[in-house]
Amino acid sequence: GQNIDQPTEMTATEGAIVQINCTYQTSGFNGLFWYQQHAGEAPTFLSYNVLDGLEEKGRFSSFLSRSKGYSYLLLKELQMKDSASYLCAVRSNAGKSTFGDGTTLTVKP
Amino acid sequence: GAGVSQSPSNKVTEKGKDVELRCDPISGHTALYWYRQSLGQGLEFLIYFQGNSAPDKSGLPSDRFSAERTGGSVSTLTIQRTQQEDSAVYLCASSFTGTRNYEQYFGPGTRLTVT
Repeated sequence: GQNIDQPTEMTATEGAIVQINCTYQTSGFNGLFWYQQHAGEAPTFLSYNVLDGLEEKGRFSSFLSRSKGYSYLLLKELQMKDSASYLCAVRSNAGKSTFGDGTTLTVKP
Repeated sequence: GAGVSQSPSNKVTEKGKDVELRCDPISGHTALYWYRQSLGQGLEFLIYFQGNSAPDKSGLPSDRFSAERTGGSVSTLTIQRTQQEDSAVYLCASSFTGTRNYEQYFGPGTRLTVT
């Protein structure tokens, strides 16, 4: 099965950088997703890491270390609209995705 | 093109009644997922369909829950004899398979309230 841990809440200041960590214990790991979910809306895709290392996409970057069972999402130049829940999810080789409980990020002026 | 659609968007039902929730995935997506999300919580996996393979039902919380996917496209999640703890947002997602990304596209969800 899968066990996914991420902080419940984080707060950061507009313009700053924030790192949201995710640790997992799993069997049959295929890849790790990050999704963004604004209140009352469906999740939207941010990234999918299969190999170790950092993948950058604009203001957002995602890192994976398979040997450590660890990932982080890095958000740069924070904007107020980045206030949302960030969901870490692990995909198994069988195709099933298991989500963590999400990290609620609040960006303050 | 059209995204994932779900119906109804909201459903209020009395305890003990049966409900059916519908999901229309993106055309061509072979994988379809159902999740449940309670207020302020993460996504709870319910069931996963992949092509013609037997579905992964390991997340269904009880035998009151069932789902089917007809013709490899539309899916229906059925909850029999609803209970108040079934109240949640039910999210459907679909994706391609056989590609690197496996990005899941989510529908807007059905908000179920059991009174």
